[in-house]
Amino acid sequence: KNEVEQSPQNLTAQEGEFITINCSYSVGISALHWLQQHPGGGIVSLFMLSSGKKKHGRLIATINIQEKHSSLHITASHPRDSAVYICAVEQGAQKLVFGQGTRLTINP
Amino acid sequence: GAVVSQHPSWVICKSGTSVKIECRSLDFQATTMFWYRQFPKQSLMLMATSNEGSKATYEQGVEKDKFLINHASLTLSTLTVTSAHPEDSSFYICSSASGGGYYNEQFFGPGTRLTVL
Repeated sequence: KNEVEQSPQNLTAQEGEFITINCSYSVGISALHWLQQHPGGGIVSLFMLSSGKKKHGRLIATINIQEKHSSLHITASHPRDSAVYICAVEQGAQKLVFGQGTRLTINP
Repeated sequence: GAVVSQHPSWVICKSGTSVKIECRSLDFQATTMFWYRQFPKQSLMLMATSNEGSKATYEQGVEKDKFLINHASLTLSTLTVTSAHPEDSSFYICSSASGGGYYNEQFFGPGTRLTVL
């Protein structure tokens, strides 16, 4: 069993839909990161959180430390949100362990 | 946010040759950089942690004599794939955090796609 599990692995939705991607982890962490990887391969850090909730534009990330679970939400999804979203946990000294990623496709 | 660059962005080489990939932090000092490898349709796997002025720390299963890492300055780390073989073909990505402690946002380079013929 992977230390970081994401669901779903693939998600296709229509433009405008509310999107939720889930991440569960089985190890102690110092922080959790949500990353976005575009088809060209470049990775952008979306959020880093250790408790509660963060919001940036149409993106919202939440984490429940007790349940070892985090969610990434996208409101009013748009085709440009199509990418692979990766959950990664930080166990210390900035070292990351990655989930397998969720491939999101938003159709116009 | 901070910027990390990689060079080259892609490289094709013959089997048996060595390839050097550079990772630079452009607007901050990076005492620690991380090197990852990503195979198609798979997630990133940490290869090694590069520490400025000292030896890199390699993850289990990564051959340190094959993947040479040098972190000679606070803004540059290099990964050299020695005697490359087709199975080394992959997407190599570096990252660094902007600070030296915990809870620091990580910044990723754009990646280098290596194809070994």
